[in-house]
Amino acid sequence: QSALTQPASVSGSPGQSITISCTGTSSDVGSYNLVSWYQQHPGKVPKLIIFDVDRRPSGVSSRFSGSKSGNTASLTISGLQAEDEADYHCWSYAGSSTVVFGGGTKVTVL
Amino acid sequence: QVQLQQWGAGLLKPSETLSLTCAVSGGSFNDFYWSWIRQPPGKGLEWIGEINYSGTTNYNPSPSLKSRVTISVDTSKKQFSLNLRSVTAADTAVYYCAKDSLTVDSWGQGTLVTVSS
Repeated sequence: QSALTQPASVSGSPGQSITISCTGTSSDVGSYNLVSWYQQHPGKVPKLIIFDVDRRPSGVSSRFSGSKSGNTASLTISGLQAEDEADYHCWSYAGSSTVVFGGGTKVTVL
Repeated sequence: QVQLQQWGAGLLKPSETLSLTCAVSGGSFNDFYWSWIRQPPGKGLEWIGEINYSGTTNYNPSPSLKSRVTISVDTSKKQFSLNLRSVTAADTAVYYCAKDSLTVDSWGQGTLVTVSS
């Protein structure tokens, strides 16, 4: 079971949109619509921002959206704000009652 | 709203056993799986495994973990525990307990466990 692949870092200017990819395999991301995304500020506990590929928990900004195509899931942050600077982790069900995380992506707001 | 409170030793020597416990409050213990997740300093999250109220477990199939991990539950106390045997420096990480309801949606506060001689 290998970790999902995310870019190490993504950056953007305030107001721009950025997209973070999360690439897995046909055994995890490609087989199930069970992909989540977590936001983690330094020294803080991860926070769920997207689940089931494209659903947002109550209270999460609509600027966060998720999608999936084949073995790759994506998180888009629209209207980038300074408070969005954080680490983002993807998660996928991987079959046989196991799950797998991505390596994490550091988002920098320029 | 489920809350998770975890505790355990934060400094271990190589070859010792890591032991952490997580107490659940404010929700139904029997309706979910309860997970352990870790995060080495500066790195990503790694799922260790999970357990439900009846003791059914699922573990990360990684050989470096599965052979050393035991997750147990005490339903009467609404607690679950992690034991990781024969730790090395590579096991240094923040360990989180978490609630799993088709995704991880609630987390404990995290415990930094450092393995050093």
